[in-house]
Amino acid sequence: GAVVSQHPSWVICKSGTSVKIECRSLDFQATTMFWYRQFPKQSLMLMATSNEGSKATYEQGVEKDKFLINHASLTLSTLTVTSAHPEDSSFYICSARGGTGAYNEQFFGPGTRLTVL
Amino acid sequence: AQKVTQAQTEISVVEKEDVTLDCVYETRDTTYYLFWYKQPPSGELVFLIRRNSFDEQNEISGRYSWNFQKSTSSFNFTITASQVVDSAVYFCALSVKTSGTYKYIFGTGTRLKVLA
Repeated sequence: GAVVSQHPSWVICKSGTSVKIECRSLDFQATTMFWYRQFPKQSLMLMATSNEGSKATYEQGVEKDKFLINHASLTLSTLTVTSAHPEDSSFYICSARGGTGAYNEQFFGPGTRLTVL
Repeated sequence: AQKVTQAQTEISVVEKEDVTLDCVYETRDTTYYLFWYKQPPSGELVFLIRRNSFDEQNEISGRYSWNFQKSTSSFNFTITASQVVDSAVYFCALSVKTSGTYKYIFGTGTRLKVLA
């Protein structure tokens, strides 16, 4: 199956710093990438959707200036958490999809656990 | 409303028991796709199956089987002869078009614990 990688797998940072998370589709071209946030024992919450070469579309309630998303190529998307605070600590998961149809499944990365001290 | 409900929050079974995970969905679309994913303790979601709204045939893959019934808007997942390695959180998802893009609506997940 298709492989999606995320880097780093975990990161600890001080409050006020920015953290960048990379998401790569390794063996396919991702027309669309998604960023999710998952709190312990909860479901995935979609944060934003990004298509290569265009601005990301953010879900209601997600601060676009805090969570900067860049989808510079068909295999790479990045999420930057700017001026991170303890409440931003979470498990961030990206997914990638090779097509745009309803039938196209999303392939998920292994996730990045962010801890902000 | 478009929604996915997984009413079972957590299920515990003893190894070799069969277990069924329920998924009920709501959608206004006539054509839609449903998915099941497994999230083991490592955190990475693994794709299990996709089903479109026109195909009501049940599907079997090894110890896994899925029962799709449009009449009851359900897409249930059964694991036969469960094993400890099946312990994970299982998510059901509905693909819906929002702002021009197909996105998933996830259920809240069912945590399955298989005890040795």
